[in-house]
Amino acid sequence: AQSVTQPDIHITVSEGASLELRCNYSYGATPYLFWYVQSPGQGLQLLLKYFSGDTLVQGIKGFEAEFKRSQSSFNLRKPSVHWSDAAEYFCAVVFQGAQKLVFGQGTRLTINP
Amino acid sequence: EPEVTQTPSHQVTQMGQEVILRCVPISNHLYFYWYRQILGQKVEFLVSFYNNEISEKSEIFDDQFSVERPDGSNFTLKIRSTKLEDSAMYFCASRPGLVNFYEQYFGPGTRLTVT
Repeated sequence: AQSVTQPDIHITVSEGASLELRCNYSYGATPYLFWYVQSPGQGLQLLLKYFSGDTLVQGIKGFEAEFKRSQSSFNLRKPSVHWSDAAEYFCAVVFQGAQKLVFGQGTRLTINP
Repeated sequence: EPEVTQTPSHQVTQMGQEVILRCVPISNHLYFYWYRQILGQKVEFLVSFYNNEISEKSEIFDDQFSVERPDGSNFTLKIRSTKLEDSAMYFCASRPGLVNFYEQYFGPGTRLTVT
């Protein structure tokens, strides 16, 4: 079955520390991959996307993500987090031939001062 | 920068009542979507809409739900007879009709509370 998994429900990091949020998908081909961020009371903002080409993609707010076909993963990274990065992060995919976004469970990021 | 807007931001209704959630997608976008997020759960797809008809819908989108684009700017989700389990955040999204362009732009959501 086609699915998206974010193994970490909640992650806490210290301000200035590096961050990696994990995302795996189950699909026989390469889907279109996205990371969205949701701040409290806000909608979903697109951080970055991967369709094809260079497997390391840069996004807004200093985030990047790397697509690894062999691991069916699309992990989100940031070298140094800021307190304002505290939010919920969602990995999402569009499987080929489909219209809809399929979301992972989300990872809630807490930043310690 | 163009944005998807949604009204109201919060709607409280009694079980069995009809509600209409409103969205104004980004101008010139051709694909429209509704998603919902029950508190503490993942964002779930409800329905997609293109060329004035539903192009895909989920199992959640049963006969109690309907969508409409009544004019050139609004996109609405109607729930005919609300249930307690319909309480959720409802997100509208839109995207252009460009080939190989799959990014969806989301509105801020409407929080629906059914009592």
